Amino acid sequence: SQTIHQWPATLVQPVGSPLSLECTVEGTSNPNLYWYRQAAGRGLQLLFYSVGIGQISSEVPQNLSASRPQDRQFILSSKKLLLSDSGFYLCAWRGDRDEETQYFGPGTRLLVL
Amino acid sequence: AQTVTQSQPEMSVQEAETVTLSCTYDTSENNYYLFWYKQPPSRQMILVIRQEAYKQQNATENRFSVNFQKAAKSFSLKISDSQLGDTAMYFCAFMKRGSYIPTFGRGTSLIVHP
Repeated sequence: SQTIHQWPATLVQPVGSPLSLECTVEGTSNPNLYWYRQAAGRGLQLLFYSVGIGQISSEVPQNLSASRPQDRQFILSSKKLLLSDSGFYLCAWRGDRDEETQYFGPGTRLLVL
Repeated sequence: AQTVTQSQPEMSVQEAETVTLSCTYDTSENNYYLFWYKQPPSRQMILVIRQEAYKQQNATENRFSVNFQKAAKSFSLKISDSQLGDTAMYFCAFMKRGSYIPTFGRGTSLIVHP
């Protein structure tokens, strides 16, 4: 069966520091991968999605970037965090054979101080 | 562009009773999928139920069922025999067939009271 991992689970970072969040998927190949952000009490905002290694599409212009160095690895990064980057970050995957369904990881809580 | 509207920001229900969460969507597409996700206090998003638009039969998963009205573009979720563990945010989502990107509603917060 497929599983999705995210780490770290919780992160507290100072403003201006760099960021690296990692997401990996097991049990599938060539998944579509997604990064979402959820501010407190609000809905999901799609940040990036990837249909293959090295292929990244950005949905919202901001100081975040994403990379996909391996088939089942998706990384969210920032060179300098802003206060507004605080939130809950969710990684999701979708398999080619799964009729458009997304499955989500456990998420990372990021607090920027 | 598609939009998904969840008109009930908050709902509450007594344990063991039935509750219905509403969702409407706007699209010109004919082939698409609809989803309900649950986000409990742990905040992990969990798929509750999925409906293919070309299927007339309403999807069911144990205590969860949907009322899919394609012409009305309505996709409500019914939770029967509500349990305390059903307390969560519920998100409705739409995805056009062949698309990579779903559209989510803003969510409904459901509280189940003992």
